[in-house]
Amino acid sequence: DVKVTQSSRYLVKRTGEKVFLECVQDMDHENMFWYRQDPGLGLRLIYFSYDVKMKEKGDIPEGYSVSREKKERFSLILESASTNQTSMYLCASSPRTPTGELFFGEGSRLTVL
Amino acid sequence: QKEVEQDPGPLSVPEGAIVSLNCTYSNSAFQYFMWYRQYSRKGPELLMYTYSSGNKEDGRFTAQVDKSSKYISLFIRDSQPSDSATYLCAMSKAAGNKLTFGGGTRVLVKP
Repeated sequence: DVKVTQSSRYLVKRTGEKVFLECVQDMDHENMFWYRQDPGLGLRLIYFSYDVKMKEKGDIPEGYSVSREKKERFSLILESASTNQTSMYLCASSPRTPTGELFFGEGSRLTVL
Repeated sequence: QKEVEQDPGPLSVPEGAIVSLNCTYSNSAFQYFMWYRQYSRKGPELLMYTYSSGNKEDGRFTAQVDKSSKYISLFIRDSQPSDSATYLCAMSKAAGNKLTFGGGTRVLVKP
């Protein structure tokens, strides 16, 4: 069974803290993505990666960075968390051969106080 | 204006009814259209995938795409309480290209 695992389901952080969200997939997928989901706004793409050590900005990259040192792992980093980054964060992966399907993790709900 | 518009609902229907969901979009470059289902506290999962205009049926689910009107629909026949979820439309300009999502419609099917 395909699996995308996000390390933390719920996090509470303080303004200004550095936050790491980890995502691991076991499907040997080349492509990995980070989205945030907010009520009424749907899923918005933060960053994506088509290969190890490669990264590309999505639609809302400001305030975020990413790291992909290994094929199976894609990390989202909030250098200095702010209250407007309180959200649900979803990691997804897909194979290089396009199928249109993204495989999502269960999400990490981040609250920044 | 958002590229993809979707009524947030909630849409409440009795068990056995037909659920009708839709999205409109503004960018005529979109070629690939998808519907994802998301249960509470879970990640989205792909439900239907279509290319260009036309209909696609899979069991109780039918997806329709009308590119001339920039309008896509999802119909769920004989709805069940287990269909209660948020349904997200998504689309892309090319296969494997990044997806643009609608805001999602919450559906409640009451027994």
